[in-house]
Amino acid sequence: KNEVEQSPQNLTAQEGEFITINCSYSVGISALHWLQQHPGGGIVSLFMLSSGKKKHGRLIATINIQEKHSSLHITASHPRDSAVYICAVTGNQFYFGTGTSLTVIP
Amino acid sequence: DSGVTQTPKHLITATGQRVTLRCSPRSGDLSVYWYQQSLDQGLQFLIQYYNGEERAKGNILERFSAQQFPDLHSELNLSSLELGDSALYFCASSVGLASIGELFFGEGSRLTVL
Repeated sequence: KNEVEQSPQNLTAQEGEFITINCSYSVGISALHWLQQHPGGGIVSLFMLSSGKKKHGRLIATINIQEKHSSLHITASHPRDSAVYICAVTGNQFYFGTGTSLTVIP
Repeated sequence: DSGVTQTPKHLITATGQRVTLRCSPRSGDLSVYWYQQSLDQGLQFLIQYYNGEERAKGNILERFSAQQFPDLHSELNLSSLELGDSALYFCASSVGLASIGELFFGEGSRLTVL
């Protein structure tokens, strides 16, 4: 049983496309994190959400607590956005999604 | 640079051995988290310390232990190593609890057990 489900698992987009990655969770949470992991391994935190919506540059993250669902949007995608995006939820402990591997083609 | 320092970056050892991974959090961060990332299991939460005390525990094996010292650095001890313990071990830190603060990750320690 996976406490956090992400979709899609793999995504290929043309440069400039609008991208959406979804995350659903089944446990009670106090916050949800979106993480980015580039080839080579380093992990960067993109957003921490407990409600509503946040925006950083071309990235937008939303969360619906009632529906236990979050989305990460990338507007005007660029090849440098190619990475694995991981959804993580925190309550009593952390649970991670399996990640979405994004490839943006020039 | 996240400000979180992990050592060593790479470690190769044999089955049955014991290793210690070290993590220095960002200046001012009180929480330290340890995670394991393997090819077949993805990212898994191991344990969290907050200001020297264990705060939350995840899927940490009994062969593994951790502690956070008064200067807030943390060590993860892995003993009786098995082939399946080969993985990337990440440390992260945050100011407070993960529910109220951003996480900052170290570059990871890659452990290979032969």
